[in-house]
Amino acid sequence: DGGITQSPKYLFRKEGQNVTLSCEQNLNHDAMYWYRQDPGQGLRLIYYSQIVNDFQKGDIAEGYSVSREKKESFPLTVTSAQKNPTAFYLCASSIMRNTEAFFGQGTRLTVV
Amino acid sequence: EDQVTQSPEALRLQEGESSSLNCSYTVSGLRGLFWYRQDPGKGPEFLFTLYSAGEEKEKERLKATLTKKESFLHITAPKPEDSATYLCAVGYQAGTALIFGKGTTLSVSS
Repeated sequence: DGGITQSPKYLFRKEGQNVTLSCEQNLNHDAMYWYRQDPGQGLRLIYYSQIVNDFQKGDIAEGYSVSREKKESFPLTVTSAQKNPTAFYLCASSIMRNTEAFFGQGTRLTVV
Repeated sequence: EDQVTQSPEALRLQEGESSSLNCSYTVSGLRGLFWYRQDPGKGPEFLFTLYSAGEEKEKERLKATLTKKESFLHITAPKPEDSATYLCAVGYQAGTALIFGKGTTLSVSS
Protein backbone atom coordinates (compact mmCIF):
# COMPACT_ATOMS: atom_id res chain seq x y z
CA ASP A 1 0.00 0.00 0.00
CA GLY A 2 1.24 3.47 -0.85
CA GLY A 3 1.59 5.92 1.98
CA ILE A 4 3.73 7.78 4.44
CA THR A 5 5.35 6.06 7.41
CA GLN A 6 6.50 7.97 10.45
CA SER A 7 8.47 6.38 13.27
CA PRO A 8 8.54 6.12 16.14
CA LYS A 9 4.95 6.81 17.19
CA TYR A 10 6.09 7.99 20.63
CA LEU A 11 9.49 9.46 21.51
CA PHE A 12 10.91 10.71 24.76
CA ARG A 13 13.81 13.16 24.88
CA LYS A 14 16.00 14.11 27.76
CA GLU A 15 17.16 17.68 28.24
CA GLY A 16 20.13 18.49 25.98
CA GLN A 17 19.59 15.50 23.71
CA ASN A 18 19.17 15.47 19.95
CA VAL A 19 16.54 13.12 18.54
CA THR A 20 15.65 12.18 14.96
CA LEU A 21 12.16 11.51 13.64
CA SER A 22 11.86 9.29 10.60
CA CYS A 23 9.58 9.90 7.60
CA GLU A 24 9.43 7.61 4.56
CA GLN A 25 7.02 7.78 1.59
CA ASN A 26 6.41 5.41 -1.32
CA LEU A 27 4.02 7.69 -3.22
CA ASN A 28 6.75 8.93 -5.59
CA HIS A 29 6.05 12.49 -4.45
CA ASP A 30 8.62 15.20 -5.04
CA ALA A 31 7.59 17.49 -2.18
CA MET A 32 7.82 16.65 1.51
CA TYR A 33 7.00 18.68 4.61
CA TRP A 34 7.32 18.69 8.38
CA TYR A 35 4.63 20.33 10.49
CA ARG A 36 4.35 20.77 14.22
CA GLN A 37 0.94 20.62 15.93
CA ASP A 38 0.27 22.06 19.37
CA PRO A 39 -3.12 22.29 21.09
CA GLY A 40 -4.98 25.38 19.88
CA GLN A 41 -2.20 26.33 17.44
CA GLY A 42 -3.03 24.39 14.32
CA LEU A 43 -0.30 23.01 12.04
CA ARG A 44 2.85 25.11 11.70
CA LEU A 45 5.45 24.50 9.00
CA ILE A 46 8.97 23.58 10.18
CA TYR A 47 10.76 22.64 6.94
CA TYR A 48 9.85 21.68 3.40
CA SER A 49 11.63 20.13 0.44
CA GLN A 50 10.58 20.36 -3.18
CA ILE A 51 13.30 18.09 -4.59
CA VAL A 52 16.12 15.85 -3.46
CA ASN A 53 19.11 17.63 -1.90
CA ASP A 54 17.15 20.85 -1.46
CA PHE A 55 15.10 22.08 1.49
CA GLN A 56 13.87 25.38 2.88
CA LYS A 57 13.03 26.70 6.33
CA GLY A 58 9.40 27.14 7.27
CA ASP A 59 7.90 29.44 9.87
CA ILE A 60 9.37 27.75 12.97
CA ALA A 61 12.67 26.17 11.84
CA GLU A 62 14.81 27.28 14.79
CA GLY A 63 16.12 24.29 16.75
CA TYR A 64 15.36 21.81 13.95
CA SER A 65 17.35 20.36 11.05
CA VAL A 66 16.49 18.12 8.09
CA SER A 67 18.11 16.28 5.21
CA ARG A 68 16.77 15.05 1.85
CA GLU A 69 19.30 12.61 0.43
CA LYS A 70 16.67 10.34 -1.11
CA LYS A 71 13.31 11.12 -2.68
CA GLU A 72 11.58 8.74 -0.29
CA SER A 73 13.06 9.99 2.98
CA PHE A 74 12.91 13.28 4.89
CA PRO A 75 14.13 12.85 8.48
CA LEU A 76 13.75 15.63 11.05
CA THR A 77 16.24 16.18 13.88
CA VAL A 78 15.08 18.03 16.97
CA THR A 79 18.21 19.54 18.47
CA SER A 80 18.95 20.64 22.00
CA ALA A 81 18.54 24.22 20.77
CA GLN A 82 14.78 23.67 20.52
CA LYS A 83 13.65 24.81 23.95
CA ASN A 84 10.07 23.61 23.82
CA PRO A 85 10.03 20.44 21.70
CA THR A 86 7.06 18.68 23.29
CA ALA A 87 4.51 18.46 20.47
CA PHE A 88 2.90 16.25 17.83
CA TYR A 89 5.04 16.13 14.66
CA LEU A 90 3.49 15.41 11.27
CA CYS A 91 5.25 14.57 8.04
CA ALA A 92 3.48 15.04 4.71
CA SER A 93 4.15 14.72 1.01
CA SER A 94 2.58 15.99 -2.20
CA ILE A 95 3.14 15.66 -5.94
CA MET A 96 4.13 19.33 -6.08
CA ARG A 97 3.48 22.50 -4.10
CA ASN A 98 -0.11 23.70 -3.79
CA THR A 99 -1.55 20.22 -4.33
CA GLU A 100 -3.19 17.98 -1.75
CA ALA A 101 -0.74 16.79 0.89
CA PHE A 102 -0.94 13.34 2.43
CA PHE A 103 0.10 12.82 6.02
CA GLY A 104 1.74 10.17 8.13
CA GLN A 105 0.31 9.10 11.46
CA GLY A 106 2.55 11.43 13.45
CA THR A 107 5.18 11.20 16.18
CA ARG A 108 4.43 12.47 19.65
CA LEU A 109 7.60 13.84 21.24
CA THR A 110 7.79 14.44 24.98
CA VAL A 111 10.63 15.97 26.96
CA VAL A 112 11.34 14.11 30.20
CA GLU B 1 -2.40 37.96 10.82
CA ASP B 2 -4.34 34.75 10.26
CA GLN B 3 -4.58 33.86 6.60
CA VAL B 4 -6.92 30.93 7.22
CA THR B 5 -9.60 31.22 9.91
CA GLN B 6 -11.98 28.45 10.86
CA SER B 7 -15.19 28.82 12.84
CA PRO B 8 -16.56 27.77 15.16
CA GLU B 9 -13.67 26.34 17.20
CA ALA B 10 -15.96 23.63 18.56
CA LEU B 11 -19.39 22.39 17.56
CA ARG B 12 -21.66 19.96 19.37
CA LEU B 13 -24.51 18.35 17.42
CA GLN B 14 -27.16 15.76 18.06
CA GLU B 15 -27.21 12.83 15.68
CA GLY B 16 -29.16 13.88 12.59
CA GLU B 17 -28.78 17.62 13.27
CA SER B 18 -27.26 19.16 10.12
CA SER B 19 -24.85 22.11 10.29
CA SER B 20 -21.96 23.85 8.53
CA LEU B 21 -18.32 24.61 9.31
CA ASN B 22 -16.72 27.75 7.93
CA CYS B 23 -13.23 28.42 6.56
CA SER B 24 -12.36 31.97 5.49
CA TYR B 25 -9.09 32.90 3.79
CA THR B 26 -7.26 36.09 2.86
CA VAL B 27 -4.48 34.84 0.59
CA SER B 28 -3.96 36.17 -2.93
CA GLY B 29 -3.85 33.86 -5.89
CA LEU B 30 -5.66 30.85 -4.47
CA ARG B 31 -4.41 27.64 -6.04
CA GLY B 32 -6.55 25.24 -4.01
CA LEU B 33 -8.56 24.89 -0.81
CA PHE B 34 -8.27 21.59 1.01
CA TRP B 35 -10.39 19.93 3.70
CA TYR B 36 -9.03 17.29 6.06
CA ARG B 37 -10.43 15.17 8.89
CA GLN B 38 -8.23 14.45 11.91
CA ASP B 39 -9.01 11.91 14.62
CA PRO B 40 -7.30 12.22 18.02
CA GLY B 41 -3.67 11.09 17.94
CA LYS B 42 -3.74 10.51 14.17
CA GLY B 43 -2.50 12.34 11.12
CA PRO B 44 -4.97 14.38 9.02
CA GLU B 45 -6.91 12.44 6.38
CA PHE B 46 -7.51 14.19 3.07
CA LEU B 47 -11.17 14.79 2.15
CA PHE B 48 -11.58 17.34 -0.67
CA THR B 49 -9.84 19.83 -2.94
CA LEU B 50 -11.69 22.86 -4.32
CA TYR B 51 -10.10 25.04 -6.97
CA SER B 52 -12.52 27.77 -8.00
CA ALA B 53 -15.52 29.71 -6.71
CA GLY B 54 -18.76 27.84 -7.23
CA GLU B 55 -17.16 24.42 -7.08
CA GLU B 56 -18.74 21.74 -4.87
CA LYS B 57 -17.55 18.29 -3.79
CA GLU B 58 -19.49 15.60 -1.90
CA LYS B 59 -18.57 12.49 0.05
CA GLU B 60 -21.20 10.60 2.02
CA ARG B 61 -22.68 13.10 4.54
CA LEU B 62 -20.12 15.83 3.73
CA LYS B 63 -20.37 18.54 1.10
CA ALA B 64 -17.75 21.22 0.56
CA THR B 65 -18.39 24.50 -1.25
CA LEU B 66 -16.16 27.41 -2.21
CA THR B 67 -16.66 31.15 -2.74
CA LYS B 68 -14.05 33.84 -3.41
CA LYS B 69 -13.50 34.42 0.31
CA GLU B 70 -14.58 31.30 2.15
CA SER B 71 -15.47 27.64 2.07
CA PHE B 72 -18.15 25.73 3.90
CA LEU B 73 -18.19 22.10 4.94
CA HIS B 74 -21.82 21.07 5.24
CA ILE B 75 -22.59 18.01 7.34
CA THR B 76 -25.99 16.46 6.65
CA ALA B 77 -27.60 14.18 9.26
CA PRO B 78 -24.33 13.55 11.09
CA LYS B 79 -23.58 10.36 12.96
CA PRO B 80 -21.35 9.88 16.04
CA GLU B 81 -18.60 8.50 13.80
CA ASP B 82 -18.36 11.93 12.13
CA SER B 83 -16.91 13.29 15.38
CA ALA B 84 -13.40 14.60 14.63
CA THR B 85 -11.46 17.78 14.06
CA TYR B 86 -11.92 19.19 10.57
CA LEU B 87 -9.02 21.18 9.15
CA CYS B 88 -9.02 23.60 6.27
CA ALA B 89 -5.87 24.50 4.32
CA VAL B 90 -5.03 26.71 1.34
CA GLY B 91 -2.37 26.69 -1.32
CA TYR B 92 -1.67 30.01 -2.96
CA GLN B 93 0.47 31.42 -5.76
CA ALA B 94 3.37 32.74 -3.65
CA GLY B 95 3.22 29.90 -1.15
CA THR B 96 5.45 26.88 -0.90
CA ALA B 97 3.39 24.74 1.47
CA LEU B 98 -0.23 24.57 2.52
CA ILE B 99 -1.34 26.97 5.24
CA PHE B 100 -3.71 25.45 7.78
CA GLY B 101 -6.45 26.86 9.93
CA LYS B 102 -6.71 25.84 13.58
CA GLY B 103 -9.59 23.49 12.95
CA THR B 104 -13.15 22.90 14.12
CA THR B 105 -13.70 20.09 16.60
CA LEU B 106 -17.04 18.41 15.92
CA SER B 107 -18.77 16.23 18.49
CA VAL B 108 -21.89 14.30 17.49
CA SER B 109 -23.87 12.61 20.21
CA SER B 110 -26.51 9.91 19.78
